[in-house]
Amino acid sequence: DTAVSQTPKYLVTQMGNDKSIKCEQNLGHDTMYWYKQDSKKFLKIMFSYNNKELIINETVPNRFSPKSPDKAHLNLHINSLELGDSAVYFCASSRGQGASSEAFFGQGTRLTVV
Amino acid sequence: GIQVEQSPPDLILQEGANSTLRCNFSDSVNNLQWFHQNPWGQLINLFYIPSGTKQNGRLSATTVATERYSLLYISSSQTTDSGVYFCAGAKAAGNKLTFGGGTRVLVKP
Repeated sequence: DTAVSQTPKYLVTQMGNDKSIKCEQNLGHDTMYWYKQDSKKFLKIMFSYNNKELIINETVPNRFSPKSPDKAHLNLHINSLELGDSAVYFCASSRGQGASSEAFFGQGTRLTVV
Repeated sequence: GIQVEQSPPDLILQEGANSTLRCNFSDSVNNLQWFHQNPWGQLINLFYIPSGTKQNGRLSATTVATERYSLLYISSSQTTDSGVYFCAGAKAAGNKLTFGGGTRVLVKP
């Protein structure tokens, strides 16, 4: 059983397209996150949701729009893709909104914009 | 936000060697985790260790919360230990993990 699963694992698309990445967790956690890993392997948070409500929105272009239909799912939609959006996107989840909570990560989605 | 610094940035080991990776935080954290990113890109949870010492097989970790650092020990390294090791922390008031830049480990046979 995969605890945090993302689809697709790989995504190659042209500039200007719109694409979505889906994430689901079966851990019963109520907080979910999107992180971006750049080409230098640096990981940075983009968004965090708690019980379907946005609680963290870092400085991310508004072409990125997260959506949480329920607390087990957090999807990421990206409009008008740009070359600089190429990266690995990780979904994660943890229990509770407090800091004392271990986070678990999905396998990542490697997005390549050509 | 907090700053997380990892050292060394790169480490080359001969199989069987021991090593220590370090993680320093600019502020106190209430959540501290160590991850291994394997060559396939997966982020594997190693330790959830806001304080104290834990051991799991050949790996162990120690966090000294009052001095804002954590250490990861790899003993009798194997080629499968290769990859990037990340530490990450979150402040007590928030829940976002801030990652260090990672330590790239290569274990040679």
